[in-house]
Amino acid sequence: GAGVSQSPRYKVAKRGQDVALRCDPISGHVSLFWYQQALGQGPEFLTYFQNEAQLDKSGLPSDRFFAERPEGSVSTLKIQRTQQEDSAVYLCASSLGPGNYEQYFGPGTRLTVT
Amino acid sequence: AQKITQTQPGMFVQEKEAVTLDCTYDTSDQSYGLFWYKQPSSGEMIFLIYQGSYDEQNATEGRYSLNFQKARKSANLVISASQLGDSAMYFCALTKPSGSARQLTFGSGTQLTVLP
Repeated sequence: GAGVSQSPRYKVAKRGQDVALRCDPISGHVSLFWYQQALGQGPEFLTYFQNEAQLDKSGLPSDRFFAERPEGSVSTLKIQRTQQEDSAVYLCASSLGPGNYEQYFGPGTRLTVT
Repeated sequence: AQKITQTQPGMFVQEKEAVTLDCTYDTSDQSYGLFWYKQPSSGEMIFLIYQGSYDEQNATEGRYSLNFQKARKSANLVISASQLGDSAMYFCALTKPSGSARQLTFGSGTQLTVLP
């Protein structure tokens, strides 16, 4: 498809497990964003990539969160030693580039930590 | 720091009527952008409309229009001729600087229900 895709769509992890969430942006999109959306809340910014460069990671809540985009396309958000407070929907968005304001969102990955 | 405030947790509107969803913002930047997104129960965020802080005219996209009042720091969304498919969560968001793809700061959202 032509849109942003994310996998898995749902993930259940036991507390303490590591998880990896994948985002496939729209082909050719330079900018990539990760957001965390807690139940009943608006999304909150986690991190931003321009190509393979992570230009802003100010929203990552702890050093257990790590994101990468090694070849400037697919991105992975990794959460180590998951905690219950990590339960949320993780949204990925991409845009053509820094000069383009419209961000296209994927369907999200719903993470439940038990 | 940037902040978006949406004071209406839930709104109801009759089908075919117009509805206004409120949004106020706080930013110290002179250049910024304002967005509205729709999030249906499926979870995907759908872009609706954008307003740059230097745009002199209010943005319109089909049945959506943005009532931008810069002095009041408000950016209300007006949906005309509501349809049942408009039932969803609506988020107002702010970015800086105007026209540049940077992180979005979202409000807490308004759940809109369109009644038949």
